Amino acid sequence: KAGVTQTPRYLIKTRGQQVTLSCSPISGHRSVSWYQQTPGQGLQFLFEYFSETQRNKGNFPGRFSGRQFSNSRSEMNVSTLELGDSALYLCASSLGRPNTGELFFGEGSRLTVL
Amino acid sequence: GESVGLHLPTLSVQEGDNSIINCAYSNSASDYFIWYKQESGKGPQFIIDIRSNMDKRQGQRVTVLLNKTVKHLSLQIAATQPGDSAVYFCAEFGNQFYFGTGTSLTVIP
Repeated sequence: KAGVTQTPRYLIKTRGQQVTLSCSPISGHRSVSWYQQTPGQGLQFLFEYFSETQRNKGNFPGRFSGRQFSNSRSEMNVSTLELGDSALYLCASSLGRPNTGELFFGEGSRLTVL
Repeated sequence: GESVGLHLPTLSVQEGDNSIINCAYSNSASDYFIWYKQESGKGPQFIIDIRSNMDKRQGQRVTVLLNKTVKHLSLQIAATQPGDSAVYFCAEFGNQFYFGTGTSLTVIP
């Protein structure tokens, strides 16, 4: 079956713009979580959605937001982009809550902010 | 905050040797741990997991050891192959996943 799909794979934005990233989980998976990956900080948790509800949120400013739709697809949005937002944004899905089993990652969306 | 660290940022091993990658975690309440492998340009790939009620778990060519006393996690890869070259992360779950920054494993043919 299809894995976790993230779009777009690559994008370039300028400071002050906003961006929306999309994640389609594995069919049947109800939990989607988002992570930011940078060389210095590794993977940092952004937020987790389960059945359209945000269940947990990491330590990121309010410029980072997300949502989950009834079909479990998820989007995350970053407003007023800063240079430091340049990173690989990874989405992961799981059947239940993340600690109930294997977390499947997508290939990521690589965001470059100029 | 949480701290999940790795003892070595890089590790080089000869093909056929065993590899051991170590990880320290800080939250004694964490009850679920995972090792991931990430190849260049790809997302992390699940290798093996272990819950806090276990000390050891074996998979195909991989073994994870959990020492809760010293909050230490290790990944052992048997008969390391060139395809095992990647960055390896450990992750702990307390109320959310915390990931280490990774160890880059290079397998020398």
